[in-house]
Amino acid sequence: DADVTQTPRNRITKTGKRIMLECSQTKGHDRMYWYRQDPGLGLRLIYYSFDVKDINKGEISDGYSVSRQAQAKFSLSLESAIPNQTALYFCATSERRAGANTGELFFGEGSRLTVL
Amino acid sequence: QQQVKQSPQSLIVQKGGISIINCAYENTAFDYFPWYQQFPGKGPALLIAIRPDVSEKKEGRFTISFNKSAKQFSLHIMDSQPGDSATYFCAPNFETSGSRLTFGEGTQLTVNP
Repeated sequence: DADVTQTPRNRITKTGKRIMLECSQTKGHDRMYWYRQDPGLGLRLIYYSFDVKDINKGEISDGYSVSRQAQAKFSLSLESAIPNQTALYFCATSERRAGANTGELFFGEGSRLTVL
Repeated sequence: QQQVKQSPQSLIVQKGGISIINCAYENTAFDYFPWYQQFPGKGPALLIAIRPDVSEKKEGRFTISFNKSAKQFSLHIMDSQPGDSATYFCAPNFETSGSRLTFGEGTQLTVNP
């Protein structure tokens, strides 16, 4: 089983619909991230969370919200989806404990979202 | 995103050739310089990383060269193989203090048989 699991893997929806992408991890990591990938733009950070009570905006948070339900779960919501939110979304985790390499991210396999 | 600039955007190499991808950064406080590899339909995964106390690190056919004064580091793939065809991202950051990571725009490498 994957250490970082994203659901759904593929989703097609219509403009204005509410969408939730879910991420769960079994790595025991405190830090979780949501990235968006678009061709030619690399990976851009949407939101990140360094523990259950800590949520931070990334560089492209407008139009998105997140919820950290537990250490192992971090979900991304699009309250009212629009076509330019069509992209590949990745959840990732990293260590926090002292002395650990907090610079390495572990990614899920991605959720492809299409907004018509 | 301008903090990290990656080049080229795409690269086509013949089997057996050398692939070179470059990454330039602005923050001189970074102390961890990784390259991630992403295959189609998969998430990125750490390929190789270097710390600033050395100028070069080699793991098999993959080498990172680090130029601290120029604020650049590069990935060299020797004897490139079709199985190396993937997208490569640099993501300079902080090893122990933690940070929201900024990725380069990515380089799509195609190795022709």
